[in-house]
Parts: sequence; C-alpha cells; structure tokens
Amino acid sequence: TQLLEQSPQFLSIQEGENLTVYCNSSSVFSSLQWYRQEPGEGPVLLVTVVTGGEVKKLKRLTFQFGDARKDSSLHITAAQPGDTGLYLCAGASTNTDKLIFGTGTRLQVFP
Amino acid sequence: GAGVSQTPSNKVTEKGKYVELRCDPISGHTALYWYRQSLGQGPEFLIYFQGTGAADDSGLPNDRFFAVRPEGSVSTLKIQRTERGDSAVYLCASSLLGVASEQYFGPGTRLTVT
Repeated sequence: TQLLEQSPQFLSIQEGENLTVYCNSSSVFSSLQWYRQEPGEGPVLLVTVVTGGEVKKLKRLTFQFGDARKDSSLHITAAQPGDTGLYLCAGASTNTDKLIFGTGTRLQVFP
Repeated sequence: GAGVSQTPSNKVTEKGKYVELRCDPISGHTALYWYRQSLGQGPEFLIYFQGTGAADDSGLPNDRFFAVRPEGSVSTLKIQRTERGDSAVYLCASSLLGVASEQYFGPGTRLTVT
C-alpha cells in the first residue's frame, strides 16, 4: 500500500513567519501534486512536480520534489492569513491511474 | 465555465438506509474520480471512471458501495445499508485525460448517518 505522510499535522504561526511542510513516502511516484483546501470546498491544485529534484515557485510558495521522487516539500515565505487552509500532497502512482493523497497539514496564520 | 457540481451538498440519513450521491463533471472531461474524506484527513480514493467504465474500483470499501456513469458524464455513488462509519465528505473530481492532467474537485457531499 502506498502511503504519503505529511508533517507537521498542524501548524499555527504568526503572519510574516516562514514554514515548511513535508510529504514523505517509501514509494516512488511518477509525479506529485500539492493542493490547498478550504472548509466546505474541494481541494484546489497548486502545482505538479514531475522530475526528481525539480523546484517550482508560485509567488511565496516553493515546491520541491525529492531526487528519488519519494518525497516533497512546500515552503511558504512570509506567511499571510490568506494562506490558512489544509495543504495536501498527492502522488500519482507509477502503476495505476489514480492519486494517493497525503494525511494533510492544517495551517493557521494569525494576523 | 461551470465547474464540478455535486448534489446534495448535505445528506442526513438513518443507519440502514440507501443513499445516492450525484456528481456532474466538467463538460468534456473523460475521467471522473470519487474520494471519501474524513474530518482533517486527506481524501481517500474510492473509484475512477474513464468514460463509462470503472477503470479502477479498488478503493471501494465493501460491496455496499457502488458507482455508475452510464453515459460517460454524470456519475452516481450509491451506498446501501448505510452505517455510521460511512459518515464523511464524499468528493468528486474530473479531469480531461486522467491522472496525468489536473483534477478539478467539486465541493463535496457531506453524508451523516445517524
């Protein structure tokens, strides 16, 4: 069974702080996606990383895919209250056409 | 354009009853996914359709769960003899080609079994 563990599970910080969320697995994925989900809504795709070692930036968010394509990280610089939400990583399996979602990191940014 | 829609948004039912949850994907999207999400957790894969056929139903927890997509568009997730443990948010997503392309999620149906 492919599992994606995220850490930390909860994160509560002040506006302006930096943070990193980790997504780890013992399995190799063909690609990895990061989503953000707000209460009462479905997840919304932030980014997809495909190549081992790939780094993508989306404004204040930096995403990295591990060299072995087993792990990923999301770094947020100067967090803002609008960044509050549930962050989910999701791996695309190399064998099947489905996504395996991580356990989630709930971020709360206080003004 | 219209996104993925799900109805009802909330469903409360008694233990043992039958429920149907509906998903309207984005027009033209051939792939449709159902997930189940418990509070504070990541979505759990249930079933994936490519067109009218279920390409992967390995996530359905047991034979009380069944899903159809008869015309390759709208899908219905059916749960028989509901149990309290079935309470969760059921999410539907569609994508143009499959896992290789972006999945667009609906807002979900919150199912509560009393």
